Amino acid sequence: NAGVTQTPKFQVLKTGQSMTLQCAQDMNHEYMSWYRQDPGMGLRLIHYSVGAGITDQGEVPNGYNVSRSTTEDFPLRLLSAAPSQTSVYFCASSSSGVGGNTEAFFGQGTRLTVV
Amino acid sequence: AQSVTQPDIHITVSEGASLELRCNYSYGATPYLFWYVQSPGQGLQLLLKYFSGDTLVQGIKGFEAEFKRSQSSFNLRKPSVHWSDAAEYFCAVDPSNYQLIWGAGTKLIIKP
Repeated sequence: NAGVTQTPKFQVLKTGQSMTLQCAQDMNHEYMSWYRQDPGMGLRLIHYSVGAGITDQGEVPNGYNVSRSTTEDFPLRLLSAAPSQTSVYFCASSSSGVGGNTEAFFGQGTRLTVV
Repeated sequence: AQSVTQPDIHITVSEGASLELRCNYSYGATPYLFWYVQSPGQGLQLLLKYFSGDTLVQGIKGFEAEFKRSQSSFNLRKPSVHWSDAAEYFCAVDPSNYQLIWGAGTKLIIKP
């Protein structure tokens, strides 16, 4: 079982560049989400999706875009990278609810550095 | 606003000793409560969760947690830690069906 797959694992961007972080899950989960993890701050929700074609903003959405054209994929786009977006990004999926009474499955993360 | 506090940034424990990691939450009702573990360079894995009922919850890897409503706490315990338990531990609260509120994490260091 692949679970939740994120690519790339590491990325260095220059300020102003754009890129897409990929996330795919093979568990047929309806709910998917993107978090960023910064030292001493836990995880903060960027965007989430409750199904194909439906997305919404989380706590820290500025500078990021998402779409959900299929159940399996939930890419995160950085429109114009800034040093403040240097972070570790995690994609998660669950069968019912981003939180809720079900387990969230996480990818292994993408470490992004913006210089 | 809802919040989760893990007051210990680092904890150092000798191998074989007992462990307790603290978690306090601020929320009007009783939320769903979770503990996740993150091994170095890895994603997060669910250790255990509390929804209702028995306030002592058993999880994987020999961990347990106790929900205390009066103290708004959900502390994680293990009677005897192993070197492989060295990781970062996150407490999380679910005040709705769409978002987890996370604590800042506690890094567990195991002394041989």
